[in-house]
Amino acid sequence: NAGVTQTPKFRILKIGQSMTLQCAQDMNHNYMYWYRQDPGMGLKLIYYSVGAGITDKGEVPNGYNVSRSTTEDFPLRLELAAPSQTSVYFCASSTLSGTGNTEAFFGQGTRLTVV
Amino acid sequence: KNQVEQSPQSLIILEGKNCTLQCNYTVSPFSNLRWYKQDTGRGPVSLTIMTFSENTKSNGRYTATLDADTKQSSLHITASQLSDSASYICVVISGGSYIPTFGRGTSLIVHP
Repeated sequence: NAGVTQTPKFRILKIGQSMTLQCAQDMNHNYMYWYRQDPGMGLKLIYYSVGAGITDKGEVPNGYNVSRSTTEDFPLRLELAAPSQTSVYFCASSTLSGTGNTEAFFGQGTRLTVV
Repeated sequence: KNQVEQSPQSLIILEGKNCTLQCNYTVSPFSNLRWYKQDTGRGPVSLTIMTFSENTKSNGRYTATLDADTKQSSLHITASQLSDSASYICVVISGGSYIPTFGRGTSLIVHP
């Protein structure tokens, strides 16, 4: 059971380049999330999706775009990379009960450096 | 603004000792509170999930408490092991939107 799979694990981008961070889950979870984690800081929510075809902004969405064409995949797009986007990116998925108390599973992270 | 504050920021203990990590939150409305363990270079892994009505929940040597009135939670680690060295993150889920707010984490180092 693969869980949440993120690719690539590491990437170096030049300022102004674009790239897509891939995230796939095989648990049939309806909720998926993208976070960034800067050194010494808590994870910050970039975008999330409650199901295929539905996405919404989180706390720090500027400079990013997402799409959710299938339940399994939730790619994160950086259009014009900036040094401020240097961070570790985590994708997560979960399924929610009516009380919202089910577990979220995280991918291993993508370490992105913009130079 | 929803916030989650954790203390201490970092902690060093000897193997076999106990420790307690603190989490205070201002998230409202409240849905549930989670503690995660994050090893260096890895994604967070869930330790416990607590709802409004739960005061204590254990997972092996980890015991979490929740006081919804004072909006405080703690994570107690008993008989620490070297493998407990990690960052422990408190996350509070907002009711309705189910948007999570993450604390900055407590970095725990267990020395032999």
